[in-house]
Amino acid sequence: EIVLTQSPATLSLSPGERATLSCRASQSVSNYLAWYQQKPGQAPRLLIYDASNRATGIPARFSGSGSGTDFTLTISSLEPEDFAVYYCQQRINWPPYTFGQGTKLEIK
Amino acid sequence: EVQLVESGGGLVQPGGSLRLSCAASGFTFSSHWMSWVRQAPGKGLEWVANIQQDGSGKYYVDSVKGRFTTSRDNAKNSMYLQMNSLRAEDTALYYCAREQTGMGFDQWGQGTLVTVSS
Repeated sequence: EIVLTQSPATLSLSPGERATLSCRASQSVSNYLAWYQQKPGQAPRLLIYDASNRATGIPARFSGSGSGTDFTLTISSLEPEDFAVYYCQQRINWPPYTFGQGTKLEIK
Repeated sequence: EVQLVESGGGLVQPGGSLRLSCAASGFTFSSHWMSWVRQAPGKGLEWVANIQQDGSGKYYVDSVKGRFTTSRDNAKNSMYLQMNSLRAEDTALYYCAREQTGMGFDQWGQGTLVTVSS
């Protein structure tokens, strides 16, 4: 089973700042990595697939990068609605699909 | 508009059973793998099971193998999760999610809550 480790667990930033979230895989997942956003009381939403492709309707301030074992989700300039929990997920080696434990992005 | 609506959750005693349903609309249900993903209270996401388009392939996370069974009825645009021998650690919000080839889980329901407690 591939283990995904996200860091930091919590990130405290202000609107307008740049956010950088990390996801590290226990073995290579090539570029088969997705990022999801989850707001309180809501279902997760797909943001990024295949490491760097934005899903439909996702604003350009969200970008993903990386390959192999190290991945980054960057939010270039935080909007108030971006404060949420973010999860990475791999789909190269399943079952099981696995998720990271999440990074909570909170308002400073 | 794509919609996934889960139902069937509730309070059940340890060792009991529940059957969850996921009703899909707004897309060609029979063209997609479908998954169940759960989230324990205050915790992260855990993939539970999935099922192939025609129901021939089914896969499970180890912790539910032998206890949970997923199925689907493409004529009814519905997926199901039969959960037996429930344990306290199965307590979670259960989401159904559409798998989009080459992408991941691109559509999610709002979830149905399963609570296993005496």
